[in-house]
Amino acid sequence: EAQVTQNPRYLITVTGKKLTVTCSQNMNHEYMSWYRQDPGLGLRQIYYSMNVEVTDKGDVPEGYKVSRKEKRNFPLILESPSPNQTSLYFCASSQRTDKNSPLHFGNGTRLTVT
Amino acid sequence: AQSVAQPEDQVNVAEGNPLTVKCTYSVSGNPYLFWYVQYPNRGLQFLLKYITGDNLVKGSYGFEAEFNKSQTSFHLKKPSALVSDSALYFCAVRDMNTGKLIFGQGTTLQVKP
Repeated sequence: EAQVTQNPRYLITVTGKKLTVTCSQNMNHEYMSWYRQDPGLGLRQIYYSMNVEVTDKGDVPEGYKVSRKEKRNFPLILESPSPNQTSLYFCASSQRTDKNSPLHFGNGTRLTVT
Repeated sequence: AQSVAQPEDQVNVAEGNPLTVKCTYSVSGNPYLFWYVQYPNRGLQFLLKYITGDNLVKGSYGFEAEFNKSQTSFHLKKPSALVSDSALYFCAVRDMNTGKLIFGQGTTLQVKP
């Protein structure tokens, strides 16, 4: 089954403790992206990647890192999480960055930072 | 800058009645527009898209959307709502330079029996 898989689904951590949210897709997509969803703000892009070893900042990249060493994986790293990073996070991928490719989303990771 | 607006936080309809979820956009050039639905504890699911061609686009689960260039709108519609349509709906426009989807704030659709 074609899918985007994120882990974990739920994560509670404390301020400053490094964490990684994994994302993997099995559709051989070049394009991958991370979004955070907050009430009243919709979804905002954190980082994106056009292909292996190519990453770039989205709208809200502060406090986050990503890497794209393989085509299928695009982990999101929080080196020193803070409470304002409490949010619902989604990974997404698409075949290309052209207009005909809708994004496929994972089921989300709900992160709470205390 | 490209943007999308969903003017209604919530839309309430009775089952069997037609529904409309509104979306307006602001882009330079031709818009590439999408609708997604989010059910509780799930990711976003693609419903339909407008790239070019017919102004009435048909999508999944009986939904359709009407593209109106003069009004810069892309409203989501369904002739007969189901209780199971209750969910959070997002309109989005694609930034062709970065591939980013720019989302509206979302509209909660509540369909009551």
